[in-house]
Amino acid sequence: DAEITQSPRHKITETGRQVTLACHQTWNHNNMFWYRQDLGHGLRLIHYSYGVHDTNKGEVSDGYSVSRSNTEDLPLTLESAASSQTSVYFCARGGGPCFGPGTRLLVL
Amino acid sequence: GENVEQHPSTLSVQEGDSAVIKCTYSDSASNYFPWYKQELGKGPQLIIDIRSNVGEKKDQRIAVTLNKTAKHFSLHITETQPEDSAVYFCAATFSGSARQLTFGSGTQLTVLP
Repeated sequence: DAEITQSPRHKITETGRQVTLACHQTWNHNNMFWYRQDLGHGLRLIHYSYGVHDTNKGEVSDGYSVSRSNTEDLPLTLESAASSQTSVYFCARGGGPCFGPGTRLLVL
Repeated sequence: GENVEQHPSTLSVQEGDSAVIKCTYSDSASNYFPWYKQELGKGPQLIIDIRSNVGEKKDQRIAVTLNKTAKHFSLHITETQPEDSAVYFCAATFSGSARQLTFGSGTQLTVLP
């Protein structure tokens, strides 16, 4: 079955480290998104892509970057992790959108 | 940009009763309104959606209504069951934006047996 996967599912890192969260989809959909979910804020858009080599900033993009070298993957990079980036991160593909299972990130 | 407000933040109902969750949106250009159910430890799952050319949509025990003039839409769950307990999110977008959704803050629904 077509699906969307995220890895790792849980990650603990230290302040200042670079972290990359992976997102892979098998629908071959052009549109992919990264959201973060925090209590009291619901889901907020970090970055999105409409296709290969296309990336765009969302509502809360500071401190994050993405790259799109193929249709299937949209990795999210935290350049220098901060405690404020402790959150649950969801990748999604368009056409719904449909969400992955999430990555729980703790920045100490 | 779009702003979506969702109420209530928590809702408890007895099994078999109905539950209603309401959302308002600010951008009159928004024309696609999905609802998501999120169970503990999982990603949001789309349960129903409605487009602005439709006033109501039903799928078994779930229905969504849309009032474009007032810019609000609601989720109705009838004959609630314990497995309906979850967090529900509404969202809105202008479909020309390729589904960049603005979400409400969520409603924790608890169905009491």
